Amino acid sequence: GEDVEQSLFLSVREGDSSVINCTYTDSSSTYLYWYKQEPGAGLQLLTYIFSNMDMKQDQRLTVLLNKKDKHLSLRIADTQTGDSAIYFCAEHRTDKLIFGTGTRLQVFP
Amino acid sequence: DADVTQTPRNRITKTGKRIMLECSQTKGHDRMYWYRQDPGLGLRLIYYSFDVKDINKGEISDGYSVSRQAQAKFSLSLESAIPNQTALYFCATSAEWSSYNEQFFGPGTRLTVL
Repeated sequence: GEDVEQSLFLSVREGDSSVINCTYTDSSSTYLYWYKQEPGAGLQLLTYIFSNMDMKQDQRLTVLLNKKDKHLSLRIADTQTGDSAIYFCAEHRTDKLIFGTGTRLQVFP
Repeated sequence: DADVTQTPRNRITKTGKRIMLECSQTKGHDRMYWYRQDPGLGLRLIYYSFDVKDINKGEISDGYSVSRQAQAKFSLSLESAIPNQTALYFCATSAEWSSYNEQFFGPGTRLTVL
């Protein structure tokens, strides 16, 4: 199909790791992205990965890319209450970004 | 000051009214986009423009029109608003020269059509 798919909700305890998963559709996508949307705000780029990479790490964030399965994941280590937000994966497709449905991450104490 | 601004931030209107949402940017980017966000559906592209003379339809352009008045301004119009156009609308920009095509988003306009 044409859709970029994500689960809608994830709830984690503060201090635990969060893993948000995404399945994309276009095997020729050159870049894949994770955007974060905090309440009442627009989206901001959190991180991205080039399609020839399997993993990218940036402080508490780890992105894993499985091109064979068209699967992208975002791991947030030591999740904090400030990480509560909606996380969107996106793929780059013919000069446009195709966004997933978004995963709402709730962090509880 | 915000790099991408949208006006109004909130709007309530009635079915059949004409509505214009405006977007301005100070980033000097050529590319501008309009999306709508609906719960459970993510962001869907309405229209996009790669320069002042370029306008392209996105996946859900029916019922919408746009105008690129200048490099810095991109307006979205609903000629005759209907209730299922109630949504959160975002404008975004990107630079042609960006190696990884990051898009920068405005704060959004919440539109309610009664």
